[in-house]
Amino acid sequence: AAGVIQSPRHLIKEKRETATLKCYPIPRHDTVYWYQQGPGQDPQFLISFYEKMQSDKGSIPDRFSAQQFSDYHSELNMSSLELGDSALYFCASSLGRFLQNTGELFFGEGSRLTVL
Amino acid sequence: GENVEQHPSTLSVQEGDSAVIKCTYSDSASNYFPWYKQELGKRPQLIIDIRSNVGEKKDQRIAVTLNKTAKHFSLHITETQPEDSAVYFCAEGKAMNTGFQKLVFGTGTRLLVSP
Repeated sequence: AAGVIQSPRHLIKEKRETATLKCYPIPRHDTVYWYQQGPGQDPQFLISFYEKMQSDKGSIPDRFSAQQFSDYHSELNMSSLELGDSALYFCASSLGRFLQNTGELFFGEGSRLTVL
Repeated sequence: GENVEQHPSTLSVQEGDSAVIKCTYSDSASNYFPWYKQELGKRPQLIIDIRSNVGEKKDQRIAVTLNKTAKHFSLHITETQPEDSAVYFCAEGKAMNTGFQKLVFGTGTRLLVSP
């Protein structure tokens, strides 16, 4: 079965550079979430999209932006990278916006960003 | 706040013992509570979830209980095996003021099952 696809899997950047992460949700899933997980930390909600519109924003820095495109894939753009941005970035998708009705959030394998 | 309290942070058991992890949430409107297992460097994977219209759910060696009055939910793993060793996260399906839901995770429990 198709899963959530994230790219790149690994990314190394210098401070103050920019990075773009991509996410392809499971086919027919209309909701995409981005989470950031620092070393030894729990995943922190960044932002979500439903039907290509932003549905909520969490602890996402102003240096980060994201969007969902017409084919439902999403991109997370990160600028002026800082050392503290080094983390695993997970994208997840679901069908519909009410998790108690539609079931689980399916996570991608994650993109590991290292900022030097 | 948006935190889900999770205890303990680490749990060491012998193979065959039971393990219990507890979480507390704050939003009485929340109605979906999944548990995820995450191995080092890998994605969180759903192992069981419970909705607020039931108090308990079981799937083989794994069970989850929910006490909506106290805003507690717990994960129970019986007959633990070394391959159960991982970090376990509880989560709360929290309504956003946009009408959508997001998952807010607990702080995680590192479970170590020794042979």
